[in-house]
Formats: sequence, structure tokens, C-alpha cells
Amino acid sequence: NAGVMQNPRHLVRRRGQEARLRCSPMKGHSHVYWYRQLPEEGLKFMVYLQKENIIDESGMPKERFSAEFPKEGPSILRIQQVVRGDSAAYFCASSPGQTNAGELFFGEGSRLTVL
Amino acid sequence: AQSVTQLGSHVSVSEGALVLLRCNYSSSVPPYLFWYVQYPNQGLQLLLKYTSAATLVKGINGFEAEFKKSETSFHLTKPSAHMSDAAEYFCAVSPNTGGFKTIFGAGTRLFVKA
Repeated sequence: NAGVMQNPRHLVRRRGQEARLRCSPMKGHSHVYWYRQLPEEGLKFMVYLQKENIIDESGMPKERFSAEFPKEGPSILRIQQVVRGDSAAYFCASSPGQTNAGELFFGEGSRLTVL
Repeated sequence: AQSVTQLGSHVSVSEGALVLLRCNYSSSVPPYLFWYVQYPNQGLQLLLKYTSAATLVKGINGFEAEFKKSETSFHLTKPSAHMSDAAEYFCAVSPNTGGFKTIFGAGTRLFVKA
């Protein structure tokens, strides 16, 4: 079984450009989570989605950031008008549901560098 | 509200020595507790989890952790460190009422000296 797939693994953007990060969950998983990891910091929760629904976006910055998980296709984390402070590793995780004792399956991350 | 505190951002041990990584949690409901490991440039992998069954939990690669409610702790141990254990370790908590919004600690980087 393929694990959680994230792409691109590395992305370089100039200030003001847009970044789109994609995540395909494990087969059979319908819950997707996005986390951000800054250097020397832990993972910070950003958003939790199910197919076509945002369940909890309490960790998302109020501006420039958005996420979706359409009926077909991968989940996308979109960052508009990137700034240097957006440089980080963005991890996607998936789970089959809320009854699995919270275990998360992580992708290898997308590392965004803003010049 | 839930939170996790990992004591020590860096821990260094000699190969063959005991590994002890500390984690304390705060939770308003009975928690699920986890330890994840992250190798360089990779995602996180689950080492072990506590889900209110046995308080001593055994995981992969010889690691284990003990849930101590009275101390609100979930420390990770391994009797004998191996060079391949060098990585970053994250303690995490989520409410047992639902598996979303898992909260992670800041991580502890383990160095293993030859």
C-alpha cells in the first residue's frame, strides 16, 4: 500500500508568489491533517479536513492560507503572496477516521523556501 | 485544552547506554499519548501509543514508554542505545473522544556517540 504522498518535496518561491502543496492520503483514509514545522520547533497543527469539508482550521493563519480536500483528487494547501516567514516544512497526515486512537500516518513533507 | 512538554531539546548518550526522553502532558479528558520518531528529511513514524490499556507500552525498535497518571508523564526509554536511534523524537497527545487535532511537543533530538 502506498503511504501518504506529498508533492512537491521541495518548492522555492519568491516573495509574493503562490505556493500549492498537494497531499494524497493513504488508501482508505478519508481524514487529512496539515501541520507546519519550523526549524527547531515542533509540529504546529494547521487544519483538519474530510472529503469536501473543513472540520477544524483553528491553526490556519487568517490570511493568505487556505486548504481544501475535494471529492476527487488530493488535498491542497495553498499559500498566497508568500513571505519569508512562510519558509517551513509542511507535513500532511491521514487517518482512516476518528476511532483509530488518533494515530496519524505522515507524508515525507514539502519544504517551502521563500526567497 | 491539551498540551505536551518535552524536557530537553537535545539529549546525548553513548552507544549502549540507557535512553530516557521525558514527556509531560496536560489534558482535560483522558488522553491518548504517542511517541513519534523523525529521521532527517523524512516524515514522522509512530513508535508507540497509549490508549488506556496497559500502562507500560512497548513499541518498535526496542523502545517503551510508561503512562503515569499521577505524574502526568509518558517518558520514552530504551535500555541500550544504537547509532541508528539518532533522530528527533516527538511526544504527542490527543483526546480519547476523537482522533483529530493531535498536539505535538517541541521535540527532542537524540544524539548517539560511538
